[in-house]
Amino acid sequence: QSVLTQPPSASGTPGQRVTISCSGSSSNIGSNYVYWYQQLPGTAPKLLIFRNNERPSGVPDRFSGSKSGTSASLAISGLRTEDEADYYCEAWDDYLSGAVFGGGTQLTVL
Amino acid sequence: EVQLVESGGGLVQPGGSLRLSCAASGFTFSSYWMSWVRQAPGKGLEWVAKIKQDGSEKYYVDSVKGRFTISRDNAKNSLYLQVNSLRAEDTAVYYCARTYSKQSGGDYWGQGTLVTVSS
Repeated sequence: QSVLTQPPSASGTPGQRVTISCSGSSSNIGSNYVYWYQQLPGTAPKLLIFRNNERPSGVPDRFSGSKSGTSASLAISGLRTEDEADYYCEAWDDYLSGAVFGGGTQLTVL
Repeated sequence: EVQLVESGGGLVQPGGSLRLSCAASGFTFSSYWMSWVRQAPGKGLEWVAKIKQDGSEKYYVDSVKGRFTISRDNAKNSLYLQVNSLRAEDTAVYYCARTYSKQSGGDYWGQGTLVTVSS
């Protein structure tokens, strides 16, 4: 069981908007920034969103992040086939004194 | 260009040890916290350990405390993970990642090194 809870799967058709949720608690998401990663098959994770809603240079603005209370969301608009990947959320947990990840969401572009 | 290259993985028997390395280049290594994150075959990401710029603070996930040791050599731009008393459940790809602070995630990741624990 992961400390952060994500849906195991999500799907959409090209051009659609999808959102992936990440639920935590007051000791992690509630008091620290959330980070989102994209992992394409057979590759290392890539940072998509940092500090809840900021994008590293090179990440398309189709990707956006938000946080409210103890939950966070990743939204992908204008879905493309190349967005098919696993997505993970991460936050520091003050109670555990360690980083925690969500279990990951496998996104399928139909 | 920021580069992180892990090495040192391999096949090891239960109870055995390995020393994983991560060679960093393209940035001022001594200015960043560094992390190890692992991924078991077909599973999700699991944070393993994190170390401060000067090595004065180290944090570990409970499942590896007392068995794994994170360290760094800023003169060699290298991060290490000494993994002892290995168990089958430690089988995973181990990634090193650069982070800005204790609470932040990894902005650059290496390609990973595979550790397989099996008799």
